[in-house]
Amino acid sequence: RKEVEQDPGPFNVPEGATVAFNCTYSNSASQSFFWYRQDCRKEPKLLMSVYSSGNEDGRFTAQLNRASQYISLLIRDSKLSDSATYLCVGEGGSYIPTFGRGTSLIVHP
Amino acid sequence: NAGVMQNPRHLVRRRGQEARLRCSPMKGHSHVYWYRQLPEEGLKFMVYLQKENIIDESGMPKERFSAEFPKEGPSILRIQQVVRGDSAAYFCASSPGTPGGANEKLFFGSGTQLSVL
Repeated sequence: RKEVEQDPGPFNVPEGATVAFNCTYSNSASQSFFWYRQDCRKEPKLLMSVYSSGNEDGRFTAQLNRASQYISLLIRDSKLSDSATYLCVGEGGSYIPTFGRGTSLIVHP
Repeated sequence: NAGVMQNPRHLVRRRGQEARLRCSPMKGHSHVYWYRQLPEEGLKFMVYLQKENIIDESGMPKERFSAEFPKEGPSILRIQQVVRGDSAAYFCASSPGTPGGANEKLFFGSGTQLSVL
């Protein structure tokens, strides 16, 4: 089983839609989780950290479910500029930041 | 405050040549990670270094690949006798804290695209 798994998509949604991605992780001892965004295979950029209590940043909400070992990202009111690949990050062996394969989002007019 | 600097942006090598990729972390960061991204795949961890020490190289191929982070100067990822399968984007990231800590956020350089002919 891969350490961090994501549905690669693509998720194809209209502007204004709400879309959610999930990501599962295998290391139950993981403490730190993040969502990154990657555009056209440029460098990944930190989108948000994921806290146990959940956190929100504008249209973006991240949540952690330790019992089921997954994290989620919810995007409300999707914009064309949200089109990108979203990478989830957990901790693999020795707590090394480990990336999922990424979920592709395409927002269309 | 400059971000993570990687060079070169693009590197073309013929099979059998050597490739050297450089990475200067953000100011104040002493933790450096190298990741490789093959076409249509995610980022794969290669190696984690601190100044003058390789902490975790569990993702590095056993042969031809090496990494260093000297006391002075950038971190270097070296690939000897490159083969076509080495063609990929190589990203370096730096972090202010240790793995598993609250400051584990990674800040990435723009990457080096290696093409092996």
